Amino acid sequence: GENVEQHPSTLSVQEGDSAVIKCTYSDSASNYFPWYKQELGKRPQLIIDIRSNVGEKKDQRIAVTLNKTAKHFSLHITETQPEDSAVYFCAARDSGGYQKVTFGTGTKLQVIP
Amino acid sequence: NAGVMQNPRHLVRRRGQEARLRCSPMKGHSHVYWYRQLPEEGLKFMVYLQKENIIDESGMPKERFSAEFPKEGPSILRIQQVVRGDSAAYFCASSQGQPSSGANVLTFGAGSRLTVL
Repeated sequence: GENVEQHPSTLSVQEGDSAVIKCTYSDSASNYFPWYKQELGKRPQLIIDIRSNVGEKKDQRIAVTLNKTAKHFSLHITETQPEDSAVYFCAARDSGGYQKVTFGTGTKLQVIP
Repeated sequence: NAGVMQNPRHLVRRRGQEARLRCSPMKGHSHVYWYRQLPEEGLKFMVYLQKENIIDESGMPKERFSAEFPKEGPSILRIQQVVRGDSAAYFCASSQGQPSSGANVLTFGAGSRLTVL
């Protein structure tokens, strides 16, 4: 089955700096890669996603890049703000009929004011 | 659209009792996923169901845990004879389940927090 690895597990940045979170996946057939943000005590919420036919996608201060050959994808947050502090999860969904979504282990991002 | 509804939000059980967690998917969604999250840890896949079918239960312990998604009504995750190690947040998510759509977003419920005394 799919295995998703995520690094780093914790990340502290100064407000205004950029943050980068990296994930690798094992199943070359996976075709959809969402990123979720989970604030303390809350549900995970989708913040951005990318499909395997696209190399990069941006939405204001966040962007995701995908390298299918290397089987890795990254989340980039620019001009970080304190409200970006949360746990971020990457995920990969396989392209088979089961569509199982496998999550990475999460990155706890702390933005220091 | 009320989103993914889970209940109860908080459940306290004593060791040996049964816990039943319910999940109503978003309107129009026919696929349900259950994940378990221990404090300070990630989302661990448990089971993936479609209406009346268990598609993948590879993440669910063989003993004491079961899940169903009947034709009518919510999906239910059932934990029998709970132990302290079952204390966790259990999240349900749903999706439309159309592979050809290409935009099969997983939407999460607010979670059910189980505490075993």
